[in-house]
Amino acid sequence: AQTVTQSQPEMSVQEAETVTLSCTYDTSENNYYLFWYKQPPSRQMILVIRQEAYKQQNATENRFSVNFQKAAKSFSLKISDSQLGDTAMYFCAFPSLTGNTPLVFGKGTRLSVIA
Amino acid sequence: GAGVSQTPSNKVTEKGKYVELRCDPISGHTALYWYRQSLGQGPEFLIYFQGTGAADDSGLPNDRFFAVRPEGSVSTLKIQRTERGDSAVYLCASRLTAANTEAFFGQGTRLTVV
Repeated sequence: AQTVTQSQPEMSVQEAETVTLSCTYDTSENNYYLFWYKQPPSRQMILVIRQEAYKQQNATENRFSVNFQKAAKSFSLKISDSQLGDTAMYFCAFPSLTGNTPLVFGKGTRLSVIA
Repeated sequence: GAGVSQTPSNKVTEKGKYVELRCDPISGHTALYWYRQSLGQGPEFLIYFQGTGAADDSGLPNDRFFAVRPEGSVSTLKIQRTERGDSAVYLCASRLTAANTEAFFGQGTRLTVV
């Protein structure tokens, strides 16, 4: 079974500072994707960033980057220059590249950006 | 439409009643997923459709829950004899294929059973 663990239920960060959200996962697969989704109060799940497991280079999208450690099965999200609009729930998610498995989500981290 | 559309946005129903929740995926997306999200939790998988057929319904909690996708596009999640524990946000997502393309989510239906 594939599992995703987010060990930080809540975090806060000062505006313009950097914060890192943790995620670990368990799988027997070798090829897969990992995702971070953001869910603001509007409930819309928005894809923040994705990482392909076969790529050694960490993915980066503007202020968002990941630290992907495949051997450790760790996939953390770093948010630089935090903005008030980054306040949301953040979910780590993990599908299998093979087969028809759906996304498996962690329990989420509630991030508050403080002015 | 441009995104995944879910209706209604909010639904309040009495215990024991029957409800239907609708999901209109992005046009051309063959894979469709239903998730349930309880307060303060991550989304939990309910059922997955590939085309018209349910490829995996292992997440449905019991036989009061049922979903259909008769023409391979719009899907309806049906809940019979609703219970207060069914109160949650029900999210729908679609993907172009079942392979690892991005899943796009609707804004969910908040179901409240009173």
